[in-house]
Order: sequence, then C-alpha cells, then structure tokens
Amino acid sequence: RKEVEQDPGPFNVPEGATVAFNCTYSNSASQSFFWYRQDCRKEPKLLMSVYSSGNEDGRFTAQLNRASQYISLLIRDSKLSDSATYLCVVNFRATRNQFYFGTGTSLTVIP
Amino acid sequence: IAGITQAPTSQILAAGRRMTLRCTQDMRHNAMYWYRQDLGLGLRLIHYSNTAGTTGKGEVPDGYSVSRANTDDFPLTLASAVPSQTSVYFCASSDSGESEQFFGPGTRLTVL
Repeated sequence: RKEVEQDPGPFNVPEGATVAFNCTYSNSASQSFFWYRQDCRKEPKLLMSVYSSGNEDGRFTAQLNRASQYISLLIRDSKLSDSATYLCVVNFRATRNQFYFGTGTSLTVIP
Repeated sequence: IAGITQAPTSQILAAGRRMTLRCTQDMRHNAMYWYRQDLGLGLRLIHYSNTAGTTGKGEVPDGYSVSRANTDDFPLTLASAVPSQTSVYFCASSDSGESEQFFGPGTRLTVL
C-alpha cells in the first residue's frame, strides 16, 4: 500500500464550480500535512499547510481528519488559473525528514 | 540567486557516464532534498540532508550519491547512469525537517 494515495482524476470542471480532492495516508503517526500545486513541467509550489483545526485561504479550504486518515482540499469558485496538478504531502513522525508525496490530482477548469 | 537553483536544466547522457546535478540555495535552509518525478509514481525521495555535513538515504537511493559540504550546495551524482534513471530531478530545501519545502526548477535527465 502506498503511504499517500490520491485520486489522479482528471477533474474537469466549469469556471465557478466547487471541486474537492481527497487524499488518504497510511501512517497514523503522521505529523505534517501539505497541499502543493504543480503546473505542467514546473516545480511543485506550496499551496497551503493543513492544520488539525482546518484552515482556509481565500477560495481554498483544507481539512484534516486524523481518525479516518485523510486530508481534503476544497476549491470554491474555480478559476481558469486553478488548472494544475494538486499534490498531497505527508510527513511521518518516525521518519520526519521524509516527505511522502501523492501522485497528484489533475484539475482542468473549463471556460 | 533568489531561492533555489538547479543546473543543468536538461541533459541527455549516454549510459555508463558519470553525471552530477547541481543544486544551490540562498535561503540558509538547514535541510535539503533530492527527488525524482516519474509519470504515475509521483515524487520520490532519493537522498536528504538535515544539515551541512550529514546526509541520509530516502526511498530510492540506489545508483545515486550526495554530499553536503556546506549549507548552500547539495549536488547529486550518478556514478554510472542507466536508462532507468531517466527522470525529472527536483532539489528542495526547508528550514527544518518538518516545515514546508521549496523546490528548484528541476533537471530533465535522459539516459540513452
């Protein structure tokens, strides 16, 4: 079983739609959680960290469910510029220097 | 330099050749990392370094070596390249082993 699993998509949504991605992780002793965004042929860039209480940044909301071992990302009012691949990243307590990346979920926002 | 840089941007290499990918950061981050990204597999950690003078093995270290002589530089060496090492290589750095990582622009390596 992979340490971090994501639905690869692709998700094709119209502008203005709300879309949600989930990511599951295998190790209950996970410590840090992040969502990264990666544009085609570019490096990943941090979108937001995910905190236990959940957090929001503009149109983006991240949630953590430790009991079910998943994190989620909600994007409201989708923009064309949101088209990218979204990577779920988990850092495990036992191997704190190692970050495990999901394979990414592809999002295309359609005009 | 602003952030983290990698060189070369891309490279085509004959199998069996030695190759060093360079990575430099100017953020004075303690931790640095090398990943490879392959279609369908996502990013996988090759080697990491918590601080200058120390290195550790990641998920896929075989065929690769690293050194961390100072804070800023973290080169990745392929001693004898093989076609399965064809990939996009990303270097990253972070302030600590648990905080967000900043990535370089990547090196596209093709081994023929």
